[in-house]
Amino acid sequence: VQMTQSPSYLAASPGESVSISCKASKSISNNLAWYQEKPGKANKLLIHSGSTLQSGTPSRFSGSGSGTDFTLTIRSLESEDFAVYYCQQYNEYPLTFGSGTKLEIK
Amino acid sequence: EVQLVESGGGLVQPGRSLKLSCVASGFTFSNYGMNWIRQAPGKGLEWVAYISSGSSYIYYAETVKGRFTISRDNAKNTLYLQMTSLRSEDTALYYCASQLGADWYFDFWGPGTMVTVSS
Repeated sequence: VQMTQSPSYLAASPGESVSISCKASKSISNNLAWYQEKPGKANKLLIHSGSTLQSGTPSRFSGSGSGTDFTLTIRSLESEDFAVYYCQQYNEYPLTFGSGTKLEIK
Repeated sequence: EVQLVESGGGLVQPGRSLKLSCVASGFTFSNYGMNWIRQAPGKGLEWVAYISSGSSYIYYAETVKGRFTISRDNAKNTLYLQMTSLRSEDTALYYCASQLGADWYFDFWGPGTMVTVSS
């Protein structure tokens, strides 16, 4: 399953809201996870099952979608949210990731 | 607290072998599936291999099938990746990641160990 993530780059200011899209090449039901990558830190699972927040994920993060189209939304951006985000499908092997979205401070 | 710590990376010549290790703590290692995932410099994430809790089920990415072998020692809380016939395109940061949840996502990751394949 090919995962197409967009945009690849996003600039925003603290306090703003942003959305990242992830499209699967075929239906993956809700078998989608979102991760955050930050320099010097272990990758962090934010959301699984398309919209279920992992324990410890702030409520300003939300996930939506099913089938082929998914969205990660971050409301009221905080400085710690500027990072790279990846989606990952786990509906079938091989498990595949999107190409990533780098969220930078405007 | 769940901790995963990889080791064994380094510089290796093309065609040679290398074995990575990942020591787990903070959870009952023998109860959960584990994975290796890699990231080439400046690139995205690529899942490499999975092994079930009791080693009954093993899956590989096509890019490494036949060259890499995933294994585990539950008595030592350790995951392994034996890599043979290494190629320049195997150069990457290799992460181990756990599957403590009910599904095939990665809930904890290690910091990674770098493998560089170059002559």
